[in-house]
Amino acid sequence: AQSVAQPEDQVNVAEGNPLTVKCTYSVSGNPYLFWYVQYPNRGLQFLLKYITGDNLVKGSYGFEAEFNKSQTSFHLKKPSALVSDSALYFCAVRDTGDKLIFGTGTRLQVFP
Amino acid sequence: DAGVTQSPTHLIKTRGQHVTLRCSPISGHKSVSWYQQVLGQGPQFIFQYYEKEERGRGNFPDRFSARQFPNYSSELNVNALLLGDSALYLCASSLAENTEAFFGQGTRLTVV
Repeated sequence: AQSVAQPEDQVNVAEGNPLTVKCTYSVSGNPYLFWYVQYPNRGLQFLLKYITGDNLVKGSYGFEAEFNKSQTSFHLKKPSALVSDSALYFCAVRDTGDKLIFGTGTRLQVFP
Repeated sequence: DAGVTQSPTHLIKTRGQHVTLRCSPISGHKSVSWYQQVLGQGPQFIFQYYEKEERGRGNFPDRFSARQFPNYSSELNVNALLLGDSALYLCASSLAENTEAFFGQGTRLTVV
């Protein structure tokens, strides 16, 4: 069965510093991986996806993710964090059809 | 362009009651999925519909049902509500199967 794991419940980073939110995956076959962000009392916003191709995927709001097949990881990154990036981040993998399997989420806190 | 719209945004129901949640997908999107997000957890897949046919069902009891209408909007119905059904219910639409999903703001259901 497909699954993703987000090993950190919370990540704290100072504004202006680079940030990384970690995700590892377990799939049979080729992975279709996604990152979503959730602000308080809101739905999920799509950030980026990996289907195939370049291992470095660029997404919305300056975020990017690095796909690493040997480490089965898909970490979310941003070179310079903003206070407004503080939110809940979810990694997800596509299962059959349109079913997405989500991780447990990582709360990102960016301090001024 | 309107995004995915869900109604109502909040509601409170009593145990044993029935509830209907509604979702309008992005114009042109034919696939609609429903997710349940319990506080502190990642979203859990409930149903997916494409072209009015059920394409997938998650591990939820038969009290949960859904349908998709000719205009691709969708309803999620939950019968005999339990306290544990309290959650944020998210609807997502995608242009076709295996394309990225865009989420609505969710319906916050509280069962008392």
